Amino acid sequence: EIVLTQSPGILSLSPGERATLSCRASQSVSSRYLAWYQQKPGQAPRLLIYGVSTRATAIPDRFSGSGSGTDFTLTISRLEPEDFAVYYCQQYGSSPLTFGGGTKVDLK
Amino acid sequence: EVQLLESGGDLVQPGGSLRLSCAASGFTFSSDAMSWVRQAPGKGLEWVSTISGGGEVTNFADSVRGRFTISRDNSKSTLYLHMNSLRAEDTAIYYCATTRGGTGWYGRFGPWGQGTLVTVSS
Repeated sequence: EIVLTQSPGILSLSPGERATLSCRASQSVSSRYLAWYQQKPGQAPRLLIYGVSTRATAIPDRFSGSGSGTDFTLTISRLEPEDFAVYYCQQYGSSPLTFGGGTKVDLK
Repeated sequence: EVQLLESGGDLVQPGGSLRLSCAASGFTFSSDAMSWVRQAPGKGLEWVSTISGGGEVTNFADSVRGRFTISRDNSKSTLYLHMNSLRAEDTAIYYCATTRGGTGWYGRFGPWGQGTLVTVSS
């Protein structure tokens, strides 16, 4: 099983700042099968990024993904008020499909 | 527009059974693998099960294998999760989601439904 470790657990920032979220895998994620999700309180998760760096439909370009092998990053270039949420990474290269524990981006 | 609407969540006693449904619209349901993902209160996301578009292939997390089954009725664009021998640790919001983009039945999840709450307690 591939274990995904996200850091930091909480990221306290202000609107307009840059957010850098990390996702580290216990073994290499095959074929770039790494996705990121955003979840706001009381809502279902929403797909942001798949294939490491491809934005999902209607996701603004301030969100970007990068990385390879075991180290992946989600970057939010300039935080908007609606971006304060919890973010999860997920690998879909091998079974079982696994998620990281999440990073909460909250208001400083 | 893709819409997924879960139903069937309820309060059930330990050892009991429940069937969840997910009604889909806005896309060609039979073309996509579908999954259930759950989230215990205040916790993260956990993949539960996936079924291929035609229903021939199913997969389960170790935590539910042998107790849960997944099925689909493509004529009704509906996904099901049959849950038996329920335990307190199965308490969670259960989301259905399309599953695309990986190899075979593997995939990323999205769009997602709004979820249905299952509570296992005496």
